[in-house]
Amino acid sequence: QVQLVQSGTEVKKPGASVKVSCKASGYTFSNYGFSWVRQAPGQGLEWMGWISAYNGKTNYAPKLQGRVTMTTETSTNTAYMELRSLRSDDTAVYYCARAGYFDSSDYWGQGTLVTVSS
Amino acid sequence: EIVMTQSPATLSVSPGERATLSCRASQSVSSNLAWYQQKPGQAPRLLISGASTRATGIPARFSGSGSGTEFTLTISSLQSEDFAVYYCQQYNNWLSTFGQGTKVEIK
Repeated sequence: QVQLVQSGTEVKKPGASVKVSCKASGYTFSNYGFSWVRQAPGQGLEWMGWISAYNGKTNYAPKLQGRVTMTTETSTNTAYMELRSLRSDDTAVYYCARAGYFDSSDYWGQGTLVTVSS
Repeated sequence: EIVMTQSPATLSVSPGERATLSCRASQSVSSNLAWYQQKPGQAPRLLISGASTRATGIPARFSGSGSGTEFTLTISSLQSEDFAVYYCQQYNNWLSTFGQGTKVEIK
């Protein structure tokens, strides 16, 4: 069965960076990509970007361009999302989700809470 | 950026009744539209992709329709476990976007 397991809760200070991991199992890793989606407290879903696990191609949301980097590691079937120069409004639950190219997200990780506070 | 607008923001429905949720795109997204259900403290769950194709394991009471800019999610007979927030998402464009969500609550 397909599973995506994310890393644990993070607390960061403004200006710091965070790197969230997403370990996949139950399918051929390189056949899909990953979308990253975040959700601020009490708010809706925000698409952050997508990465191909086949060739590393990425698409990032313009508002995050320059601060976000998505990567994959095929040796460990793990996807990563790094966000830099953190601000208080980056406080959110961050989700990884399996997604094909220009496709919906059919399996989701459990979410990782990132809190940015001084 | 394609803006997705969902209506209503909140829908009050009695168990057993039909619920109709709308999603409008600011420009055509063809049939590249998905619906998700999210319950408190949980990750979203894919219900519908390609505007009308139910995801694996999704009950038949959930149906999606529409193309272009107007889409509908219908829940034919609401069950207690269906009270949740529903989001639409377009993936027609390299910059995917979500609607703001519709909360379906018990009337």
